[in-house]
Amino acid sequence: KAGVTQTPRYLIKTRGQQVTLSCSPISGHRSVSWYQQTPGQGLQFLFEYFSETQRNKGNFPGRFSGRQFSNSRSEMNVSTLELGDSALYLCASSLVGQRNSPLHFGNGTRLTVT
Amino acid sequence: KQEVTQIPAALSVPEGENLVLNCSFTDSAIYNLQWFRQDPGKGLTSLLLIQSSQREQTSGRLNASLDKSSGRSTLYIAASQPGDSATYLCAVISNFGNEKLTFGTGTRLTIIP
Repeated sequence: KAGVTQTPRYLIKTRGQQVTLSCSPISGHRSVSWYQQTPGQGLQFLFEYFSETQRNKGNFPGRFSGRQFSNSRSEMNVSTLELGDSALYLCASSLVGQRNSPLHFGNGTRLTVT
Repeated sequence: KQEVTQIPAALSVPEGENLVLNCSFTDSAIYNLQWFRQDPGKGLTSLLLIQSSQREQTSGRLNASLDKSSGRSTLYIAASQPGDSATYLCAVISNFGNEKLTFGTGTRLTIIP
């Protein structure tokens, strides 16, 4: 069974631009959640989607948004990029949600904002 | 606000030894606790998930325990191997409000051959 796939693996953008990251979950998984990992703040929850609906949201500004498609694939968008948005963005999928089933993570997208 | 702490931040042990990693959380009203490992430049791999009603979970050489009342969990690794070298993170889901996963800062484990 294929794992969680995140594209692209690396991304370099300049301040003020916007970026879209993609995540394909494990087949059959209906929940996709997103996390930001930085050396200073560690891993922080962004949001969780289940059956195309945002179910939970972390404490990030409105510049961070996401969506989930009918095939459970998910995208995350960051608008008006800031230097502090440089991070490893991780996507995780689970069968029925992070509350009741283990999370399976992708290898992440490394975003560098210059 | 839930806070998760992992001490020590780094640990080195000789191959073959048994070891224990610690995780503590400030609010005992959790739904579950998970242990993950992360290899450099990679995502996280789920190791064990303990529901709040459980006391421990085992998988191969790994055993995780949960003491909700004291806000503690331990991950026991038996007969350590160089391939166990990684950063180990614990995370909890609180059973109130936003069901976000709160992660600890991790313990970087090095097994010395």
